[in-house]
Amino acid sequence: GDSVTQMEGPVTLSEEAFLTINCTYTATGYPSLFWYVQYPGEGLQLLLKATKADDKGSNKGFEATYRKETTSFHLEKGSVQVSDSAVYFCALSDGAGGTSYGKLTFGQGTILTVHP
Amino acid sequence: ETGVTQSPTHLIKTRGQQVTLRCSSQSGHNTVSWYQQALGQGPQFIFQYYREEENGRGNFPPRFSGLQFPNYSSELNVNALELDDSALYLCASSLETGGRSPLHFGNGTRLTVT
Repeated sequence: GDSVTQMEGPVTLSEEAFLTINCTYTATGYPSLFWYVQYPGEGLQLLLKATKADDKGSNKGFEATYRKETTSFHLEKGSVQVSDSAVYFCALSDGAGGTSYGKLTFGQGTILTVHP
Repeated sequence: ETGVTQSPTHLIKTRGQQVTLRCSSQSGHNTVSWYQQALGQGPQFIFQYYREEENGRGNFPPRFSGLQFPNYSSELNVNALELDDSALYLCASSLETGGRSPLHFGNGTRLTVT
C-alpha cells in the first residue's frame, strides 16, 4: 500500500537557519503530494502541494519539488523564523479523479522548533 | 468564507460508551473526510463522504460509522469505545472527491476514553 516516510525529529534550529525536512514516498500510479503544518492546538493547514513530477510547490518561503525518480518531496526554507515552529506532515493522495476518492496518507510528522 | 468547524472541542468518555462528533464543512465543499490522529502520529484516514454516501474507507472497524447531511455537514459515530480510541479526530472538507483538491481541516475534537 501507499506510505510516506519523513525524517525523524525533533528538529531544532536557530532563527535564519536553513531548513530541510526529508520526505520519501511509496505509491502506485501518480499521486499528488502535499505538505501540511500543524500549530499547537490547531488542525492541519495546507502549506504547499504538487500534482505531477517536477512540479515545485511553494508558499510562505517554503518550497518542495516532486521528484518521481527518487520518490521524494523534501521541504526546504532558506531562513526560518520562530513563528515557523510547528509540526510538519508530508502526505500523498491516491486520487487522480475518476472513481478514486483521494484519501491522504500521512507521514508521522516532524516537530520543528526555532529558537531566537 | 467560513472554515471547517468541529464540535465539541474536547470530550471524555468511558470505555464501552458511544460518542458522536460533528463537523460543518467549508462553504461550497461537498466532500467530507474523517481522520484519527493518535498522539505523536500522523492522521489516519477513517472514511470519506461525498453527496451523503460513503465514498471510501480506511482500515477501521464497523463500530466507526458516519453520516453526511444534505447541507454537507457530517457526523462521526463510534460505538463500544476502547481505550485506544483516545485521539484527536479531524474532519476535512474539499471541493471534490478526487485527490487533486486540497483538504481543509478543522481544529479537531480531542476524545479521551477512560
